[in-house]
Amino acid sequence: GDSVTQMEGPVTLSEEAFLTINCTYTATGYPSLFWYVQYPGEGLQLLLKATKADDKGSNKGFEATYRKETTSFHLEKGSVQVSDSAVYFCALSPYSGGGADGLTFGKGTHLIIQP
Amino acid sequence: DTEVTQTPKHLVMGMTNKKSLKCEQHMGHRAMYWYKQKAKKPPELMFVYSYEKLSINESVPSRFSPECPNSSLLNLHLHALQPEDSALYLCASSQGLAYNEQFFGPGTRLTVL
Repeated sequence: GDSVTQMEGPVTLSEEAFLTINCTYTATGYPSLFWYVQYPGEGLQLLLKATKADDKGSNKGFEATYRKETTSFHLEKGSVQVSDSAVYFCALSPYSGGGADGLTFGKGTHLIIQP
Repeated sequence: DTEVTQTPKHLVMGMTNKKSLKCEQHMGHRAMYWYKQKAKKPPELMFVYSYEKLSINESVPSRFSPECPNSSLLNLHLHALQPEDSALYLCASSQGLAYNEQFFGPGTRLTVL
């Protein structure tokens, strides 16, 4: 079945550091890929998405590129802030012929940014 | 309106109680989802409704009973829960196609005593 693997952390960085959170996936066909962020005590917010190979998703300074050859969707940000502290989930949605389906999530990466 | 709302925000119930969780969206989405999230874990899919019909039931115990009264509303009826059912229950919606992004509500924090 489909699966998503991501570094679990916690990942601790200083403010203004460069961030990379690795995400690789296993899926048949051509899934869509997402990064979601969850702040303490809240639901999940969609951070960015990519629906086909070589697409780059970007939002709030975060970027991720859909790499089919390496089955990866790594999250990057050039300069992190304390407010970026949260749990980040990589997820995929299979293209299963058109019907709605659940997301397959990675285990989540807890990011801690220190001032 | 790009929001999914959930009520209540917090719920404490005994093992003999009956309660319901509610979810609402006004984005015209035709698919709605229930997920269960335990602490420090990713969300786990419970149910999927597509065009108001139950399309996926991930072998969830019958003490959880979903209902989709119309395309904007999704309920989760709870009865005779166990303490291990304590978790954050998340509702999500999407346009209805598998590759569309899902939008999540803030969740209901459920505690079963």
